[in-house]
Amino acid sequence: TQLLEQSPQFLSIQEGENLTVYCNSSSVFSSLQWYRQEPGEGPVLLVTVVTGGEVKKLKRLTFQFGDARKDSSLHITAAQPGDTGLYLCAGNTNAGKSTFGDGTTLTVKP
Amino acid sequence: SAVISQKPSRDICQRGTSLTIQCQVDSQVTMMFWYRQQPGQSLTLIATANQGSEATYESGFVIDKFPISRPNLTFSTLTVSNLSPEDSSIYLCSVPATGDLYGYTFGSGTRLTVV
Repeated sequence: TQLLEQSPQFLSIQEGENLTVYCNSSSVFSSLQWYRQEPGEGPVLLVTVVTGGEVKKLKRLTFQFGDARKDSSLHITAAQPGDTGLYLCAGNTNAGKSTFGDGTTLTVKP
Repeated sequence: SAVISQKPSRDICQRGTSLTIQCQVDSQVTMMFWYRQQPGQSLTLIATANQGSEATYESGFVIDKFPISRPNLTFSTLTVSNLSPEDSSIYLCSVPATGDLYGYTFGSGTRLTVV
């Protein structure tokens, strides 16, 4: 079983602060996704990274895939209350299955 | 991306009964997936629902407990049978995301509480 560990598990910050969430594994993934999930809803796909070292930006969110394709990070600049939610990373193997991380619960206080 | 309608959104069920969850997709998809999630935690894949053949179950999940139907390319059901409090969880269906080779689109989930 390929495990994805996310850190921190919980994060509570003030509006306007920056934060980084990490997703680490000892396994290599062909691609990795980040999702955000709000209470009562399913996860919503934010981004997919495929190439080692790849960096993608989505407004205030910056995603990076590690050079060895074993880890990833999500950086949020100037966090807003609307960023509050559960952030999940998921890694794809060449067999086409996704393994989900254990999640980071982010709370941004106004 | 595909739009998934999942229902019920929540239910409270008695021990020993069953709950059937439905997912309707607004486009035809080859594969649909069923997940279980404890609130605020990770997702665990239960099975892959294949149209025209039996579902493929992950380790630890069996057809007798989680029978799945996939009558066509836009619809699937998951039944959680012989309910016990340990089955209390959120159940989600998903399909491959449109325009993204690797990601998935999820239904809004069904929160099941067994009493």
